[in-house]
Amino acid sequence: GNSVTQMEGPVTLSEEAFLTINCTYTATGYPSLFWYVQYPGEGLQLLLKATKADDKGSNKGFEATYRKETTSFHLEKGSVQVSDSAVYFCALSDRGSTLGRLYFGRGTQLTVWP
Amino acid sequence: EAGVTQFPSHSVIEKGQTVTLRCDPISGHDNLYWYRRVMGKEIKFLLHFVKESKQDESGMPNNRFLAERTGGTYSTLKVQPAELEDSGVYFCASSLRAAGGYEQFFGPGTRLTVL
Repeated sequence: GNSVTQMEGPVTLSEEAFLTINCTYTATGYPSLFWYVQYPGEGLQLLLKATKADDKGSNKGFEATYRKETTSFHLEKGSVQVSDSAVYFCALSDRGSTLGRLYFGRGTQLTVWP
Repeated sequence: EAGVTQFPSHSVIEKGQTVTLRCDPISGHDNLYWYRRVMGKEIKFLLHFVKESKQDESGMPNNRFLAERTGGTYSTLKVQPAELEDSGVYFCASSLRAAGGYEQFFGPGTRLTVL
């Protein structure tokens, strides 16, 4: 089946620290991969995505590379800011499906201190 | 352009009562999804509408949950009767296309607490 495993939180960092949130997946087909972010009091927003192996998604200084050989899609940012404090969700969808449902990980709470 | 909206933002009910959640998708989005996050766990798919038709309801936990999308616009999710394990955050999302890879736009969620 399809599933996503992401590192347990919470993650607490100082401003300007380097961030990595690990995400691995299992998929029956060929998935598209996503990172969603939920800021306090808001809905989930798409942060970045990658639709095929070796693609790199990037947005707002965050990056993640689709690694088929390791079935991973780790999220990284070189220098976090207080405003990056949020819950981050890794997700996949089956590209071969016409249904588009998303499979999510458990979410990782990130808190950045000034 | 207005985003996905959900109502209410919070609901606290007692076990055995009925609750109805509402979702208004982005105008023109035929695809509407419901998801649920139980405390500390992953966000799980509940069901998917294309216009007014249920395309995939494989994630609905049991027959106490009833989803409708009359006229292919807004959707409601009714829980009757509510149980303690139904507590969680219910998210609605909409998208222009259903195929994997297209962005789903999420609402802020409804936090349901069953006492």
